[in-house]
Amino acid sequence: GQNIDQPTEMTATEGAIVQINCTYQTSGFNGLFWYQQHAGEAPTFLSYNVLDGLEEKGRFSSFLSRSKGYSYLLLKELQMKDSASYLCAVRTGGGNKLTFGTGTQLKVEL
Amino acid sequence: DAGITQSPRHKVTETGTPVTLRCHQTENHRYMYWYRQDPGHGLRLIHYSYGVKDTDKGEVSDGYSVSRSKTEDFLLTLESATSSQTSVYFCAISESMQERDGYTFGSGTRLTVV
Repeated sequence: GQNIDQPTEMTATEGAIVQINCTYQTSGFNGLFWYQQHAGEAPTFLSYNVLDGLEEKGRFSSFLSRSKGYSYLLLKELQMKDSASYLCAVRTGGGNKLTFGTGTQLKVEL
Repeated sequence: DAGITQSPRHKVTETGTPVTLRCHQTENHRYMYWYRQDPGHGLRLIHYSYGVKDTDKGEVSDGYSVSRSKTEDFLLTLESATSSQTSVYFCAISESMQERDGYTFGSGTRLTVV
């Protein structure tokens, strides 16, 4: 089976840094994705990791450790518009399917 | 724009009636997916397609069927809607298994079964 765990909710202050963790146990692994989803909208792609290490893209970074089944999304210089749900997803073989975690609702406060 | 549209955007239907949701893409992508999103469950795969007339079940396929007669269209049918199928339904597209951008999602269909 597939199991992906993320914290349900997090709160952080504008201008700060926040790390959202994701652990996974899946049958097969072909990449890990992070998506951002604002309330009432579709998920949008943020980052992709398939090899161990850190991928940086502007204010967002994502880290992967395949041996530990662990990833995190790092958001720097938080802005109010970063208040959203952040979804961790693992791509497994066969059909290019993504299995999603339940998402982490991030609230950015003044 | 991503070139993926879902219709209708909102629908209210009665228990026991059939319902069909449509996903249309202009990207000529090979893979298409139907997910449902519910509080506490996240996005769960219903069915997916890897080509015209090629479909397979996801983890929550009971009560749903799909059809893909053209590359651009992927239809999701609830044969006899139940209240447990009240949800937000997202269609997604993808070109390949090596794609670094994962899926592109449609705007969603909010379905209420009363």
